[in-house]
Amino acid sequence: QVQLVQSGAEVKKPGSSVKVSCKVSGGIFSDYAVSWVRQAPGQGLEFVGGIIPRSGTTSHAEKFQDRVIISDDESTNTVYMDLGSLRFDDTAVYYCARTTSFGGWSPLVAWGQGTLVTVSS
Amino acid sequence: DIQMTQSPSSLSASVGDRVTITCRASQSISTYLNWYQQKPGKAPNLLIYVASTLQSGVPSRFSGSGSGTDFTLTISSLQPEDFATYYCQQSYSSPLTFGQGTKLEIK
Repeated sequence: QVQLVQSGAEVKKPGSSVKVSCKVSGGIFSDYAVSWVRQAPGQGLEFVGGIIPRSGTTSHAEKFQDRVIISDDESTNTVYMDLGSLRFDDTAVYYCARTTSFGGWSPLVAWGQGTLVTVSS
Repeated sequence: DIQMTQSPSSLSASVGDRVTITCRASQSISTYLNWYQQKPGKAPNLLIYVASTLQSGVPSRFSGSGSGTDFTLTISSLQPEDFATYYCQQSYSSPLTFGQGTKLEIK
């Protein structure tokens, strides 16, 4: 049974950056992509980016291309999302999610519990 | 990026009703279409993948169909626990994209 456990809530100022972690347990860490999906208050789901640990291949939604870095640490089975130049509208719950499709990005079968990132002055 | 459009955005129905939600892609995505259910304060939950395959543990009253650009999610007989928001998502090409969601409410 794959489990994803995320780091805790963050409050950040505009212009700063935030780094959220997602620790994966169960299964083979390297083989399956982990993606980050966010949800602003009362809004829908939005793909931010993801990584396939084995190859280091990353993917980002174009709107985040200049601001997000997705990385992983295979020694601790952890994936990180680093979002910079934070704006008020980056306030959202950020989820990590993992596929069971080898070499692909989805479907997103296992999800973390979510991390609330609040951008406030 | 591939745009995904769901309809309706919201829907009121009663327990026992048959409900259909539609998802349209801005270009052909073959059958690379997944459906998720989300309840308030919870992470999404995968219901159906590659358009019509039921995820393990999902009740058989849920079904999916379609290919190319047009897809449907059908709930054959609504149960109280089915009132939630539903999202489609394409996995044909990166980046992944989601529909805007369909909120299913109790009539």
